[in-house]
Amino acid sequence: NAGVTQTPKFQVLKTGQSMTLQCAQDMNHEYMSWYRQDPGMGLRLIHYSVGAGITDQGEVPNGYNVSRSTTEDFPLRLLSAAPSQTSVYFCASSTQGLLGKLFFGSGTQLSVL
Amino acid sequence: AQRVTQPEKLLSVFKGAPVELKCNYSYSGSPELFWYVQYSRQRLQLLLRHISRESIKGFTADLNKGETSFHLKKPFAQEEDSAMYYCALKNAGGTSYGKLTFGQGTILTVHP
Repeated sequence: NAGVTQTPKFQVLKTGQSMTLQCAQDMNHEYMSWYRQDPGMGLRLIHYSVGAGITDQGEVPNGYNVSRSTTEDFPLRLLSAAPSQTSVYFCASSTQGLLGKLFFGSGTQLSVL
Repeated sequence: AQRVTQPEKLLSVFKGAPVELKCNYSYSGSPELFWYVQYSRQRLQLLLRHISRESIKGFTADLNKGETSFHLKKPFAQEEDSAMYYCALKNAGGTSYGKLTFGQGTILTVHP
């Protein structure tokens, strides 16, 4: 049982480049979300999904795009990378019966030069 | 707007000493609060939630609505408790079980 799988683990981009962070879960969870972790800021919600075809913005959505075509996958796209997007990104999944327990991926460490 | 505040970025104690990690929240409704922990080289994971009123690894947390606090406590800290701890609040709304507001985090170091 893999849980929540994120790829890649590390990535270096140049300003202006685009890329997609992958996230997949095999627990049939309806809720999936993306957070970024920055020192002194904690985890901040980027985008959120309550099921296939349904997404919503979180606290810091600018510069990011998401889609949810299947229950399992929730990719995060950086449209034109900026140094301010240097961060550690976490994908998480959950289901209503878990009452707020999130399962997290191992994270993607992104540096934008 | 709802908010979670953890006033201590860093907290150091010696093994066997009591430890308290502070968490304050602002929320207009009935809060649902959690503590998450990230050990070195491990994934972020749930430690405990107030609705369960549980004790996990010797940690407890009591919701104090009057002081809007949810402090995490352990009477005798162990070296393996060293980690990053996040307090989190579930967002309002029935579809929000995957959508938490996190505090800034506290790095706990337990010295031998």
